[in-house]
Amino acid sequence: AQKVTQAQTEISVVEKEDVTLDCVYETRDTTYYLFWYKQPPSGELVFLIRRNSFDEQNEISGRYSWNFQKSTSSFNFTITASQVVDSAVYFCALSEEQAAGGGADGLTFGKGTHLIIQP
Amino acid sequence: KAGVTQTPRYLIKTRGQQVTLSCSPISGHRSVSWYQQTPGQGLQFLFEYFSETQRNKGNFPGRFSGRQFSNSRSEMNVSTLELGDSALYLCASSLDWGAVDEQYFGPGTRLTVT
Repeated sequence: AQKVTQAQTEISVVEKEDVTLDCVYETRDTTYYLFWYKQPPSGELVFLIRRNSFDEQNEISGRYSWNFQKSTSSFNFTITASQVVDSAVYFCALSEEQAAGGGADGLTFGKGTHLIIQP
Repeated sequence: KAGVTQTPRYLIKTRGQQVTLSCSPISGHRSVSWYQQTPGQGLQFLFEYFSETQRNKGNFPGRFSGRQFSNSRSEMNVSTLELGDSALYLCASSLDWGAVDEQYFGPGTRLTVT
C-alpha cells in the first residue's frame, strides 16, 4: 500500500531564511506521481508541482525548488529566502498509475507540515 | 478560467440527518474527486467520478455516496450523519482520471454535525 510521511509537523523560521520540507514515500509501483500542495488559512489546496517516477531532475521555480531522489524515496521541497506569505500547511502526495482494468486510489497525502514564517 | 466551485461553503447539520454537497469542476475537466479532511485523519480520498461513472472509491462506509452529471458537475451525499463526519470536504477536478494529472481543488465545504 502507498504511504507518504512528512515527519515535520511544524517548522518555524524567520523571514529570509531557507527552509526544507521533507517528504518520504512508499510504493510498490514502478510508475507513480508525486505532488506538493499548499494550503493557506483559507483552506483551498493550491497545486505546486507534479513529478513522475521516471523524471528525477530537480526542479526550480522562483524561490521554490524540489529534490526528487528515488534511491531514498524522498521528494523534498525547499523555499529559499522565505517570506511571510509562504506561511501555510504544505502537503506532499503520491498516486500510483492505475493498473490495467483497475483504478488508482486517488491521492495519498502526508499529514502535512505547518510552516510558520515570522517577520 | 473559473476555478473549482463548491456549494455550500458552510453547513451545520444534526446527527442522523443527511446532506448533499455540490462541486462544479473547471471547464473541460471530466474527472471529479472528493476528499475528506479532518484534524485526526488528515486528507483522505473518498471517491472519483469520470464521465458519470465512479472510477475509484476510498475506504469509507456506504453512507458516503456520490454521482456525476453529464456536465461533469458532481454531488456527494452523506446519509445518517454522525458526529465524526464533521470535516472539510474538498473536491478536485482534473482532465483525466486516476489522480495522475494535476488536481485542482475547490475551497471546500465545512460540515459541522451536532
